[in-house]
Amino acid sequence: GAVVSQHPSWVICKSGTSVKIECRSLDFQATTMFWYRQFPKQSLMLMATSNEGSKATYEQGVEKDKFLINHASLTLSTLTVTSAHPEDSSFYICSAGGRRVANTGELFFGEGSRLTVL
Amino acid sequence: GIQVEQSPPDLILQEGANSTLRCNFSDSVNNLQWFHQNPWGQLINLFYIPSGTKQNGRLSATTVATERYSLLYISSSQTTDSGVYFCAVGANFGNEKLTFGTGTRLTIIP
Repeated sequence: GAVVSQHPSWVICKSGTSVKIECRSLDFQATTMFWYRQFPKQSLMLMATSNEGSKATYEQGVEKDKFLINHASLTLSTLTVTSAHPEDSSFYICSAGGRRVANTGELFFGEGSRLTVL
Repeated sequence: GIQVEQSPPDLILQEGANSTLRCNFSDSVNNLQWFHQNPWGQLINLFYIPSGTKQNGRLSATTVATERYSLLYISSSQTTDSGVYFCAVGANFGNEKLTFGTGTRLTIIP
């Protein structure tokens, strides 16, 4: 299947700082990528749809000024958690794929990034 | 939005046993995927199955789109099958985002 890679896998930061997470499609071009968040023992919740060359589309209840998404190229989307607080500690995972890759709607996921805010 | 419910929420089995995991969804879908989330959090694609039946080794899946459910079968369970299984559905042809189910936590005991 298609390869989606995230970096970093783990990040620990102090409260009030900003953290950037990268999501790359390694073997295909992705005009659209999706960012999800997963709290412990819960399911994955979609945060936003990242659109190459345009603004991201955020799901209801997700603060766009806090979770900045930039999709500047066809292979890279970044999620920046600004002024992080302990309640932002979570597992963040991106996905891409779909018809441009597999000629179906199948999506592939990155390894995820575990954020801990102290 | 579309609702996705999985059952059972937890399942504990002896190694070698068979299991059936169920995914119910509330509306028509054009995409349905099954994933295995390993202990490190990575999602492993198991099946892309918006309809019909597929098999891959000890795993198989069936989706009955008209009745809005999908089943994942695991035969001859191994301890490495432990983890959380998610189904996720897509219902928008113009936007391929997935809505995840509630998950089934499977524990295989040696």
